[in-house]
Amino acid sequence: NAGVTQTPKFQVLKTGQSMTLQCAQDMNHEYMSWYRQDPGMGLRLIHYSVGAGITDQGEVPNGYNVSRSTTEDFPLRLLSAAPSQTSVYFCASSTPGQNEKLFFGSGTQLSVL
Amino acid sequence: GNSVTQMEGPVTLSEEAFLTINCTYTATGYPSLFWYVQYPGEGLQLLLKATKADDKGSNKGFEATYRKETTSFHLEKGSVQVSDSAVYFCALGPRVKGYSTLTFGKGTMLLVSP
Repeated sequence: NAGVTQTPKFQVLKTGQSMTLQCAQDMNHEYMSWYRQDPGMGLRLIHYSVGAGITDQGEVPNGYNVSRSTTEDFPLRLLSAAPSQTSVYFCASSTPGQNEKLFFGSGTQLSVL
Repeated sequence: GNSVTQMEGPVTLSEEAFLTINCTYTATGYPSLFWYVQYPGEGLQLLLKATKADDKGSNKGFEATYRKETTSFHLEKGSVQVSDSAVYFCALGPRVKGYSTLTFGKGTMLLVSP
């Protein structure tokens, strides 16, 4: 009963490095999304996908890329990490019939030095 | 645009105390309203929801009523437990077919002591 799985749980990067945050769900959900959580800011949507091959930008997309080649996976790529990207990142999935009921992963805590 | 305003925390209570966490919203149209809860080290999970005016959402002893006239959706619980210590997020989303994004408040931390 895995649900939404995110890896890694913790990551430290140097400015300019690239990395990919992984997200996988086993509930056959069509919708997937990435959020960042910053102190005093709540959750902000980075990118989302309504199905394999379809992605779109959220509120704060700059500096991040996504792709959705399968229903299960929705990786988030940081091309050139910046200290402003230090945050906790959450992946979430949902179904078209109940797209407001988001199922969240346990998060990735990222520090960019 | 849409926005959600929550009371700032932390809210510190003793076990069995009454809880209220205030939430007000600004939105176009008639959104659905939600409360999500985040326990330490975990992702958010849906606690309760209400989809139209005067609806009351309830779950695990928590309640919230959709008040259109005051644009509010305050979270209440009659007797909190230590296990309720978490961060609570109020959110709203448009009622549309297909994908819709949720607008979250900044979250309110609740700390319950024995």
